[in-house]
Amino acid sequence: GESVGLHLPTLSVQEGDNSIINCAYSNSASDYFIWYKQESGKGPQFIIDIRSNMDKRQGQRVTVLLNKTVKHLSLQIAATQPGDSAVYFCAENRGGSYIPTFGRGTSLIVHP
Amino acid sequence: GAVVSQHPSWVICKSGTSVKIECRSLDFQATTMFWYRQFPKQSLMLMATSNEGSKATYEQGVEKDKFLINHASLTLSTLTVTSAHPEDSSFYICSARDLEVGRGYTGELFFGEGSRLTVL
Repeated sequence: GESVGLHLPTLSVQEGDNSIINCAYSNSASDYFIWYKQESGKGPQFIIDIRSNMDKRQGQRVTVLLNKTVKHLSLQIAATQPGDSAVYFCAENRGGSYIPTFGRGTSLIVHP
Repeated sequence: GAVVSQHPSWVICKSGTSVKIECRSLDFQATTMFWYRQFPKQSLMLMATSNEGSKATYEQGVEKDKFLINHASLTLSTLTVTSAHPEDSSFYICSARDLEVGRGYTGELFFGEGSRLTVL
């Protein structure tokens, strides 16, 4: 079902540290996963995606890991910067659908 | 990347009035656009899928007579909140899919900047 939370989990890190944001998804039929970044008062911005036939994908300063066995997704941000402060959402495309279902979101706060 | 523009970015209206929000794909054509609603500190909830030239597909629990969607062209979808009430106050976000990005069957969704509706 949909993942909607009344309270956003928060991750606080120091500038320069690595950040790891976790996400559990619900549907084993999901075959495509996306991480979005949403800054306050703005729409979501695509960060990185991964298909279910992969377990790791790297971008610029970001890495997504997928563990299908436990239905877990993570986003790793290297050398976190204050500009990375935002809410991060994982989203899953359920098999046969191209419409992402958004997870709960995690608020990342980066302290200078 | 492709740009999706929403207008207005914020609007305040009186209870009982109707408000129209526009969503435009600026540099690509979108046969399908999506409307989401987001309450404070919550996730994005898909409201409906807007299809160019045909009726929108609404998610379960979303009143189609209250949230009117029109997708008159390949670059414009509108969401009209009719007879708005304070509980309709929310952040409305549209997105569109650019099939030419080259991400296979999924395509990449591009999101607008959102429209914050406050109903007094």
